[in-house]
Amino acid sequence: GDSVTQMEGPVTLSEEAFLTINCTYTATGYPSLFWYVQYPGEGLQLLLKATKADDKGSNKGFEATYRKETTSFHLEKGSVQVSDSAVYFCALSFYNQGGKLIFGQGTELSVKP
Amino acid sequence: EAGVTQSPTHLIKTRGQQATLRCSPISGHTSVYWYQQALGLGLQFLLWYDEGEERNRGNFPPRFSGRQFPNYSSELNVNALELEDSALYLCASTPSLGDGNQPQHFGDGTRLSIL
Repeated sequence: GDSVTQMEGPVTLSEEAFLTINCTYTATGYPSLFWYVQYPGEGLQLLLKATKADDKGSNKGFEATYRKETTSFHLEKGSVQVSDSAVYFCALSFYNQGGKLIFGQGTELSVKP
Repeated sequence: EAGVTQSPTHLIKTRGQQATLRCSPISGHTSVYWYQQALGLGLQFLLWYDEGEERNRGNFPPRFSGRQFPNYSSELNVNALELEDSALYLCASTPSLGDGNQPQHFGDGTRLSIL
């Protein structure tokens, strides 16, 4: 079945370090891809999305590129801040399934000053 | 614009009881989704409602059920509660019959604890 796999956490970085969180997917079609972020005690917020191959989503300094050939959607940020500490979820959905999201297991990021 | 609101914030029940969780979508949104976030299991899709009808269901037993009201708010009911039902239950909404490209807007969740 369709699935999303993320790199295991927790990931601990120093402020201003470069961030990569790996995400790969298995799907029998061409899904839309999303990154959501969950800050402590809160629900999920959309961080960025890409709806077709080679699209790049970006927001708040985060970027991810939809790579069909490697079925990947890795999240990157050039310089993380303490305020980026959160759990990050990669997810996919299909046009004809009405938006049901399939999530990866989440990656916890902790940024130290 | 008010976001997705869920109530209660926390709910404590004992095994065998029933729980009712509530969700109000963003004004103008007609689709409501429910997800379970259980420790060690990640986020799993539960139910999707649109225009008062159940459109899709995840791999959960029938004791998980719900409904959507004419004002598009929704209830999730869990009967015969079991210890493993302890989780954060998240509700999300989208503007219309989801097309898979629209981002979902999430509430802060209801923390259900089963004693």
